[in-house]
Amino acid sequence: DAGVIQSPRHEVTEMGQEVTLRCKPISGHDYLFWYRQTMMRGLELLIYFNNNVPIDDSGMPEDRFSAKMPNASFSTLKIQPSEPRDSAVYFCASSFGPGINSPLHFGNGTRLTVT
Amino acid sequence: RKEVEQDPGPFNVPEGATVAFNCTYSNSASQSFFWYRQDCRKEPKLLMSVYSSGNEDGRFTAQLNRASQYISLLIRDSKLSDSATYLCVVNFGNEKLTFGTGTRLTIIP
Repeated sequence: DAGVIQSPRHEVTEMGQEVTLRCKPISGHDYLFWYRQTMMRGLELLIYFNNNVPIDDSGMPEDRFSAKMPNASFSTLKIQPSEPRDSAVYFCASSFGPGINSPLHFGNGTRLTVT
Repeated sequence: RKEVEQDPGPFNVPEGATVAFNCTYSNSASQSFFWYRQDCRKEPKLLMSVYSSGNEDGRFTAQLNRASQYISLLIRDSKLSDSATYLCVVNFGNEKLTFGTGTRLTIIP
């Protein structure tokens, strides 16, 4: 099993540019989570999906952030326009069930730097 | 007050020693508890779940104290490979997991 695959691994962009992060969950996992990690705030849940349907997006910081899951094997997190404070590591994770019942499997993360 | 609080450390511990750290949570209705481990510049991975009666996995022991609202992780006979950040994770009765900011542990040869 290839695990959760994220791309790109690193992204450096200028303020105001659009950024798209991609995630391929583990096949058969019904839940997909997007997290953001910074030194100050740790891991924060942005949004999660169950069977491709967004369930809770209350962690999305503002309208500049959007996420989609068009099918069971692909999800995107988009930031438009990006700002320097968006710089962080963004993780995608998937699981068979809710994280309370089955472990989260994280991808390698995308390290985003906005200058 | 944060929902899940951890001492950020760092804890610098000699190889072979025993080390323990705690994590406090804010909501008494919390249902599930976990420890995840994160190596430097890597993704978090589940280390162990924490059960009400306490549980052990090799050199690792996890305990839950509901009355005082904290969980603990004890590592015996620490190895160099135990150096990592340990994340306390709590479920507050929904489908989401809330992560603490982590405790950094360094095992010194």
